Amino acid sequence: EPEVTQTPSHQVTQMGQEVILRCVPISNHLYFYWYRQILGQKVEFLVSFYNNEISEKSEIFDDQFSVERPDGSNFTLKIRSTKLEDSAMYFCASIDSPSSYEQYFGPGTRLTVT
Amino acid sequence: GESVGLHLPTLSVQEGDNSIINCAYSNSASDYFIWYKQESGKGPQFIIDIRSNMDKRQGQRVTVLLNKTVKHLSLQIAATQPGDSAVYFCAENFLTGGGNKLTFGTGTQLKVEL
Repeated sequence: EPEVTQTPSHQVTQMGQEVILRCVPISNHLYFYWYRQILGQKVEFLVSFYNNEISEKSEIFDDQFSVERPDGSNFTLKIRSTKLEDSAMYFCASIDSPSSYEQYFGPGTRLTVT
Repeated sequence: GESVGLHLPTLSVQEGDNSIINCAYSNSASDYFIWYKQESGKGPQFIIDIRSNMDKRQGQRVTVLLNKTVKHLSLQIAATQPGDSAVYFCAENFLTGGGNKLTFGTGTQLKVEL
């Protein structure tokens, strides 16, 4: 069964450093998402991406965040200058079309900012 | 603001019993509701969904009930098994120009006791 993969599984970084979280969505999917989950809290929408541009973003997704699909397979989330409060699990998800409601989630990257 | 929330943070059931997990939502314009299961260290996994024009949908051992009058959603798991132990999230779907955006509830921890 196809699946969304994410790397690394755990990233530790110092406050102020840049991090790039990587995702490989399911190959025939066209819509991509990033969510985050602070420990013990609910999953929160960050951004959706389609046709090489951001479709929608939440209030959390400020100027410190950016997304990119550098090639035909990867989908990345960059945080330019990490803050302590960026520590969370970051999940990538994808779907094949907007009529599909089953978003497939990756296993997540745990980001720890020290 | 609009929100999705869960009534019970933790639910403990005996193996073989039925489980009922509840969720309240506030956005009457939501067109779709989804239940996700999240096991420790993993991303959310789709369980079952229901359109807003339905009041019941059944899957394998799971049933979702939607009561739009009181804006209430529930997930019923029949003959609960140890493998069902996880956090369960309900989510509202918003169809946007960028596909589907999920708004998650806070989650209920289901513990299955042997």
